Amino acid sequence: DVKVTQSSRYLVKRTGEKVFLECVQDMDHENMFWYRQDPGLGLRLIYFSYDVKMKEKGDIPEGYSVSREKKERFSLILESASTNQTSMYLCASSPTEPQHFGDGTRLSIL
Amino acid sequence: KQEVTQIPAALSVPEGENLVLNCSFTDSAIYNLQWFRQDPGKGLTSLLLIQSSQREQTSGRLNASLDKSSGRSTLYIAASQPGDSATYLCAVSMDSSYKLIFGSGTRLLVRP
Repeated sequence: DVKVTQSSRYLVKRTGEKVFLECVQDMDHENMFWYRQDPGLGLRLIYFSYDVKMKEKGDIPEGYSVSREKKERFSLILESASTNQTSMYLCASSPTEPQHFGDGTRLSIL
Repeated sequence: KQEVTQIPAALSVPEGENLVLNCSFTDSAIYNLQWFRQDPGKGLTSLLLIQSSQREQTSGRLNASLDKSSGRSTLYIAASQPGDSATYLCAVSMDSSYKLIFGSGTRLLVRP
């Protein structure tokens, strides 16, 4: 079974902090994705990567960056956290489709 | 810009009922459509994937249909069980980049 592991289930940070969310997959998938999920807005794509060191912006990249130095790991970075980035963050990976999701990180910015 | 809508937002049914969840999309030029299940506090689990050239897919008690020309998909759940209680999400992909555009989901409660 594919396993996508997000490093934290719950995280509390303060405004202005630099925040790192980590995601690791164990199936050698080329494609990895970061989404955020908010009530009433559904899941929205922040960034995705189709290979090591390759990245593309999704629908809402502002305030975020990503890093993919190794195939199995895709990191989401909040450069200077703000309260409007409080959300559930979901990572996914896929060879093609369907995408396999981690359990999510619920991030609160105070 | 593609928009995906799911109606109803919430649904409560007694155990044993057959039910239909609806998904509509504004741009019919989709690459494929997927249905996911999300349990509270968890990630998403893929249920069914329908390619743009297909009309339906089946897995156990689940059947998903696709009508591209009208911009609609339905997820049919037969003989519902309390374990089916979850949020069901529909998502479309517009090309082979595998980026997904999600609806807001239907929250299903199956009462014993």
